[in-house]
Amino acid sequence: DQQVKQNSPSLSVQEGRISILNCDYTNSMFDYFLWYKKYPAEGPTFLISISSIKDKNEDGRFTVFLNKSAKHLSLHIVPSQPGDSAVYFCAASGWNRKLIWGLGTSLAVNP
Amino acid sequence: DTEVTQTPKHLVMGMTNKKSLKCEQHMGHRAMYWYKQKAKKPPELMFVYSYEKLSINESVPSRFSPECPNSSLLNLHLHALQPEDSALYLCASSQDSGTGTDTQYFGPGTRLTVL
Repeated sequence: DQQVKQNSPSLSVQEGRISILNCDYTNSMFDYFLWYKKYPAEGPTFLISISSIKDKNEDGRFTVFLNKSAKHLSLHIVPSQPGDSAVYFCAASGWNRKLIWGLGTSLAVNP
Repeated sequence: DTEVTQTPKHLVMGMTNKKSLKCEQHMGHRAMYWYKQKAKKPPELMFVYSYEKLSINESVPSRFSPECPNSSLLNLHLHALQPEDSALYLCASSQDSGTGTDTQYFGPGTRLTVL
């Protein structure tokens, strides 16, 4: 049973445009959400997080939005750059230090 | 500084070998993790150490043996592995504040190949 779902396995956008990556979760006990970026054969790099008490968090080109009633979060990247091409994982954290991961979305930013 | 280091970067071993993976962090984090990652899949949790004590073992086979010598170091001892154990092994660390809002920071990983 997938508690964190990233329903788009891949996404392709033009350089300079907005990339929107989506994530849905089922467990209302999750209270902290994170986005990681991963290049092949490297460890995940932390991008941005959001606590369940907020609905938006922004860091440079990256913004995460949380809609608790819909159990949905999204990562916006504006403007998208070719170096953003990677796999993006959404993860949820509860009290027990475990991260529950989505299956990832592969983003391709085309020049 | 959010750096977690791992050595070696690559490791090839036979099924009868004994080897160790090493991980180090100097962020003052008190929780450290071992994950296994196969291609195109999310990381799979193996072990969690909190304040140098093993707090989570995700039913990992005994051929994987973790060790936490101190708060900055984490080892994973490997013995009698199988070819299906070939994967990227990731170390991570976090503050362990007990609030459930700690960010885990990952190392670059060790690419393990078992022949």
